[in-house]
Amino acid sequence: NAGVMQNPRHLVRRRGQEARLRCSPMKGHSHVYWYRQLPEEGLKFMVYLQKENIIDESGMPKERFSAEFPKEGPSILRIQQVVRGDSAAYFCASSLGTDEKLFFGSGTQLSVL
Amino acid sequence: DAKTTQPTSMDCAEGRAANLPCNHSTISGNEYVYWYRQIHSQGPQYIIHGLKNNETNEMASLIITEDRKSSTLILPHATLRDTAVYYCIAVGTLTGGGNKLTFGTGTQLKVEL
Repeated sequence: NAGVMQNPRHLVRRRGQEARLRCSPMKGHSHVYWYRQLPEEGLKFMVYLQKENIIDESGMPKERFSAEFPKEGPSILRIQQVVRGDSAAYFCASSLGTDEKLFFGSGTQLSVL
Repeated sequence: DAKTTQPTSMDCAEGRAANLPCNHSTISGNEYVYWYRQIHSQGPQYIIHGLKNNETNEMASLIITEDRKSSTLILPHATLRDTAVYYCIAVGTLTGGGNKLTFGTGTQLKVEL
């Protein structure tokens, strides 16, 4: 029973490029969360999605960041025109229901040169 | 969600019980206490959660005081692989807003020979 799968594990981008991070939730899970962890800091909530809907995006930066969770396929966190400050570990988590415990993936380490 | 307070760091000898305290004096009646841990560079791992009663699973035990203002996570026989940052999080339920976790700075547990 596969856990939460994130890819790529490591992503290197130059300033101004786009980064696309993918997350496949656990089988049967329709709730996805994205978190960001800056170097030497704690995890910060970014966005919570259910299939085809954004439920809570209170932690998303207002510009350049977007997230989707289509009916088919993985959830995508998209960062346009990346800057050095976007370098961080991005973790995805999924859950079975609204108030169920979260299972986290291994994360994507984004490095912006 | 209620604020939680944890010691910054703790040490434990391998094979001994590790007791990690958490204060959550402003917790409300519908808030669960969740524990997660993060081993260096990996995604957070769910450990245990509880509301009022003490809980035990294959990983740990959770002891919640009768007034619910504090709790203790117990790893009965700590091993070197339990070295990690442990997060105690109070989470409100039944809001329909998902199980959004607010990670603090946690307790860095170091298990030594």
